[in-house]
Amino acid sequence: LAKTTQPISMDSYEGQEVNITCSHNNIATNDYITWYQQFPSQGPRFIIQGYKTKVTNEVASLFIPADRKSSTLSLPRVSLSDTAVYYCLVGASGSARQLTFGSGTQLTVLP
Amino acid sequence: EAGVAQSPRYKIIEKRQSVAFWCNPISGHATLYWYQQILGQGPKLLIQFQNNGVVDDSQLPKDRFSAERLKGVDSTLKIQPAKLEDSAVYLCASSFTSGGRDTQYFGPGTRLTVL
Repeated sequence: LAKTTQPISMDSYEGQEVNITCSHNNIATNDYITWYQQFPSQGPRFIIQGYKTKVTNEVASLFIPADRKSSTLSLPRVSLSDTAVYYCLVGASGSARQLTFGSGTQLTVLP
Repeated sequence: EAGVAQSPRYKIIEKRQSVAFWCNPISGHATLYWYQQILGQGPKLLIQFQNNGVVDDSQLPKDRFSAERLKGVDSTLKIQPAKLEDSAVYLCASSFTSGGRDTQYFGPGTRLTVL
């Protein structure tokens, strides 16, 4: 199974840009990269998904280098409400790997 | 659009008892998943359904866990008998496929405490 590696935790201050990097050295040709956000006592929430280069939506950007062995989730101007666990998943559509969550990154936004 | 519904939200039972969880996915989502999330860990997939057929149940402890999705809509997950280590949040998710990509939507989960 494709294994992902993320930092266990990160701290940031309100208004800053936060970048969380995920390593996935064994990514396969058909694999997509998906990021989820999870607040306490809630289920994970889809943030963004990409295959290569850069993807941007209303809440985040996803940067994927040419070799696709890593990806970076970028959260612009974080607020206290962005404090959550962020998960990086890698896998092809419908595959078991797409559904394999690691331990995630606990992001704490400080005032 | 209504989200994924789960019930109950909380359940406390004693070991060796049985328990059942219910999930109603988002309308039109063919794929349904059950995950187990132990405190401090990421969710672990237990079973994946495509309509009413099982796609993957390789991580489902079949000696005590069972799941069904009759009629390809609602699903139930059952544990019988429960063990202490089954204490966790059980998450249900559903997804649709668009352009070759799946996007999962999760319910709020059921927090199970086994005493």
